[in-house]
Amino acid sequence: GQNIDQPTEMTATEGAIVQINCTYQTSGFNGLFWYQQHAGEAPTFLSYNVLDGLEEKGRFSSFLSRSKGYSYLLLKELQMKDSASYLCAVRDGDYQLIWGAGTKLIIKP
Amino acid sequence: IAGITQAPTSQILAAGRRMTLRCTQDMRHNAMYWYRQDLGLGLRLIHYSNTAGTTGKGEVPDGYSVSRANTDDFPLTLASAVPSQTSVYFCASSERLAEGTGELFFGEGSRLTVL
Repeated sequence: GQNIDQPTEMTATEGAIVQINCTYQTSGFNGLFWYQQHAGEAPTFLSYNVLDGLEEKGRFSSFLSRSKGYSYLLLKELQMKDSASYLCAVRDGDYQLIWGAGTKLIIKP
Repeated sequence: IAGITQAPTSQILAAGRRMTLRCTQDMRHNAMYWYRQDLGLGLRLIHYSNTAGTTGKGEVPDGYSVSRANTDDFPLTLASAVPSQTSVYFCASSERLAEGTGELFFGEGSRLTVL
């Protein structure tokens, strides 16, 4: 079956680095996405990976290994505003996205 | 400000009642989607539309219907609401159904409670 696994919750300290992992088992693969969702708000796009390797965008980086069915989102220099849920999603075909349940990230001062 | 507008923001509904959630976008995107988000589960696709005049079923379409009369509007209708349809509903759009990064733009959500 189709499955996306992410940790339910993580805690990190302001100014530190945190890595949020995502493993997937899908019938196909046509790209992996990370979205950020603050409580009570809409998800917003963070990153897209379709080839193996690291994509860097400011304080955020996303890594993909297709052979391992694995991705991570790396957040550096954590700020309080980074407290949110981070959603991993895989596009398994032309359009269908399979979503993980999300990782709630709590930032402590 | 360009984006997606959903209405209502929140609604409490008696079981058996008919309800339409409205969604309007002003980005001239071709593709639009309706998702539901439930605690502990990932977003699940209800219906989608590739372009005006066409719609398709997603992962959990039962009990819901959609229409796409024009590019901007994509309403979701619950013909006879049941308590299991209590959820947060997100409308989203993208330039194409499957283009490049396929970035989705989401509305702010509609919280629906069916009693």
